[in-house]
Amino acid sequence: EAGVAQSPRYKIIEKRQSVAFWCNPISGHATLYWYQQILGQGPKLLIQFQNNGVVDDSQLPKDRFSAERLKGVDSTLKIQPAKLEDSAVYLCASSSDPNTEAFFGQGTRLTVV
Amino acid sequence: KNQVEQSPQSLIILEGKNCTLQCNYTVSPFSNLRWYKQDTGRGPVSLTIMTFSENTKSNGRYTATLDADTKQSSLHITASQLSDSASYICVVIGAGTYKYIFGTGTRLKVLA
Repeated sequence: EAGVAQSPRYKIIEKRQSVAFWCNPISGHATLYWYQQILGQGPKLLIQFQNNGVVDDSQLPKDRFSAERLKGVDSTLKIQPAKLEDSAVYLCASSSDPNTEAFFGQGTRLTVV
Repeated sequence: KNQVEQSPQSLIILEGKNCTLQCNYTVSPFSNLRWYKQDTGRGPVSLTIMTFSENTKSNGRYTATLDADTKQSSLHITASQLSDSASYICVVIGAGTYKYIFGTGTRLKVLA
């Protein structure tokens, strides 16, 4: 069974630039999560989708971050404009429903310089 | 405030030795508690999942324990191997909300 796919694996941008990350969840998984993991810390939930609807985006900095999952499958996370403190690993995870185990992708490591 | 705290922050042991990692949480009520292993540069991978009624769960050389009364969990690694070097993250899932509340992890280094 294919796992959660994310791209790119690495990205380096200058502050104030824009960046987008892509996630393809495990086939059939209705629940999709985006997490931000700063070095030395545990992952922090940014947004949770159930199919193409947003369940929780309470910790998403909406002035600069946006995410969408238009067809209830793939998802993109965008940062515009990026700040130095956005440097982190962005993890995508999916599960068949919110009460079952979530499987994580390998993440995208973002460095803002 | 729902929190998950782990100790120690980092740990270095010799190959073949055992170790125990600790997790204390204040999340209540909770649905289940999970231990994840995260290799450098990779996403977390689930090791064990326990509901509040389970006291212990094993997965090969990994054994997790849970005391729901004291809100403590531990992960015991037996006969450590070099490949055990990773971060181990304790995650508590809130009941009803199903929100994942992550600890900051314990970084384990196993030396030859």
